[in-house]
Amino acid sequence: DADVTQTPRNRITKTGKRIMLECSQTKGHDRMYWYRQDPGLGLRLIYYSFDVKDINKGEISDGYSVSRQAQAKFSLSLESAIPNQTALYFCATSGFSGGPNTGELFFGEGSRLTVL
Amino acid sequence: RKEVEQDPGPFNVPEGATVAFNCTYSNSASQSFFWYRQDCRKEPKLLMSVYSSGNEDGRFTAQLNRASQYISLLIRDSKLSDSATYLCVVKKRNDYKLSFGAGTTVTVRA
Repeated sequence: DADVTQTPRNRITKTGKRIMLECSQTKGHDRMYWYRQDPGLGLRLIYYSFDVKDINKGEISDGYSVSRQAQAKFSLSLESAIPNQTALYFCATSGFSGGPNTGELFFGEGSRLTVL
Repeated sequence: RKEVEQDPGPFNVPEGATVAFNCTYSNSASQSFFWYRQDCRKEPKLLMSVYSSGNEDGRFTAQLNRASQYISLLIRDSKLSDSATYLCVVKKRNDYKLSFGAGTTVTVRA
């Protein structure tokens, strides 16, 4: 089983619908992240959380919200989906002594979202 | 200007060939540098860090040129399994955030 699990893996929805992407991890890491990936663009950080009570906006947080339900769970919500939120979404984790200092993020397998 | 820029490729090379490509970064405060590998429709995975003096990991060699603000990745004796997109990643000093390039695609053919 993957250490970082995302659900759903694929989702097609309509404009205006609420969507939640869920992420759970068994790595015991405190730090969790949500990124989106679009063709021709690098991974862009949406939100990140360094522990359950610490949630921060990334570079493209507008239109998104997150919830850190537990150390192992970090969900991303699109309150009212729009077509330009069609993308591949990745959840990632890092440990306190690693992560950005060592450059190592552990990614889930991705959630492909299509908004019609 | 993008913070991290890469030639998207694709670089199409025969098995056994050497392929090299660069990545430029715009912020001179960048401190740490990494290469990630991403297979088609898969998640990115850390390939290697890039050290100031340059470093090797098997057939992979990474170099850093701070004066010109670029890093490079060289793959020797290419294997079919090296076909992937290689993401350049940069981190600024005292910053949690990693900045990702859009990737360079390498295709190794038999």
